[in-house]
Amino acid sequence: EAQVTQNPRYLITVTGKKLTVTCSQNMNHEYMSWYRQDPGLGLRQIYYSMNVEVTDKGDVPEGYKVSRKEKRNFPLILESPSPNQTSLYFCASRPGLAGTREQYFGPGTRLTVT
Amino acid sequence: AQTVTQSQPEMSVQEAETVTLSCTYDTSESNYYLFWYKQPPSRQMILVIRQEAYKQQNATENRFSVNFQKAAKSFSLKISDSQLGDTAMYFCAFMKPNSGYALNFGKGTSLLVTP
Repeated sequence: EAQVTQNPRYLITVTGKKLTVTCSQNMNHEYMSWYRQDPGLGLRQIYYSMNVEVTDKGDVPEGYKVSRKEKRNFPLILESPSPNQTSLYFCASRPGLAGTREQYFGPGTRLTVT
Repeated sequence: AQTVTQSQPEMSVQEAETVTLSCTYDTSESNYYLFWYKQPPSRQMILVIRQEAYKQQNATENRFSVNFQKAAKSFSLKISDSQLGDTAMYFCAFMKPNSGYALNFGKGTSLLVTP
């Protein structure tokens, strides 16, 4: 089944404790991205990657890191989480220029930083 | 970044009725893509319908259709024969080609379908 998976789905952590949220897609998509969703704000892009070893900042990159060492994986790293990073996080992927314009979303990761 | 505005934070419709969700956007581009995503209580983001700006014909997907007014920068979603399963948050989104494929989302409209 074609899908985007994220782990963990739920995470409660404390301020300053490094964490990684994994994202993997099995559709051979070139493009992957991370969004955060906050009440009343919709979804905002954090980082994106056009292909392996190519990443760039989105609208709200502060406090986050990403890497793209393999085409299928795009982990989101919070080196020192803070309470304002409590949010619902989505990973998404889509084909490159030759594909459709649709982005496929993962199931979301609910992160709480205390 | 492009601005996407959904002016209706909450809406309600009775089962089998028709409802229209509004969306306006601000851009100086002539080529772009517009989407409506549905987010049910499961939180999964589900694509409902998409529209290419260069196409004059309004997109339709079963009970879902859009009214795309390019000059007015308006992109409303019409849901016909509403069903209980349509209860969800609906997000309008804008994508400009060659911008890193970023989707700019509106703040969403919470739709409740009542029996």
